[in-house]
Amino acid sequence: KQEVTQIPAALSVPEGENLVLNCSFTDSAIYNLQWFRQDPGKGLTSLLLIQSSQREQTSGRLNASLDKSSGRSTLYIAASQPGDSATYLCAVRLDTNAGKSTFGDGTTLTVKP
Amino acid sequence: DGGITQSPKYLFRKEGQNVTLSCEQNLNHDAMYWYRQDPGQGLRLIYYSQIVNDFQKGDIAEGYSVSREKKESFPLTVTSAQKNPTAFYLCASSIGDTQYFGPGTRLLVL
Repeated sequence: KQEVTQIPAALSVPEGENLVLNCSFTDSAIYNLQWFRQDPGKGLTSLLLIQSSQREQTSGRLNASLDKSSGRSTLYIAASQPGDSATYLCAVRLDTNAGKSTFGDGTTLTVKP
Repeated sequence: DGGITQSPKYLFRKEGQNVTLSCEQNLNHDAMYWYRQDPGQGLRLIYYSQIVNDFQKGDIAEGYSVSREKKESFPLTVTSAQKNPTAFYLCASSIGDTQYFGPGTRLLVL
């Protein structure tokens, strides 16, 4: 059974700092991995999707990498801002059926002004 | 605006009562999903549907039921058999590889 772990559970950084969030998974035979953002009491917003054949994806100040062989993905946030404060979740899909996604518990990020 | 709507935002359930959570999408997506989220945890899949009139159990389907009579609608019923229903419920839809989420319904037990 696929297990997804996100460490740390919480992270607090000063504004302007670059940071890395981690996601690890136990079964490396994945179809894709997706990073989401969740604001308190809200739904999830997709940030980046990495297919199994890709090594990284970039969107603005965000960069996500994927290393299937080691079962790891990282989300890099450059020049963090208070508006980046949220919970970040990763989800791993094993096959083409999206119903088979497994989510991590998330990392709650606080960016202090 | 295209998107996913969930209602109500808050729902209160009494002991022994069945309650239904609404999920509607106008994105023309074939696949729809229901997830449960407990505090400080990730999402767990309850049910999903890849096409109208068909749905599959997820990891925690016991105590829940769904229907998919229309492409745009995927209601979730929390039955009295679900003994610990207090949670945040999220509906999602997808086309291709990306899932899009609704704003969620918070279910509380009186």
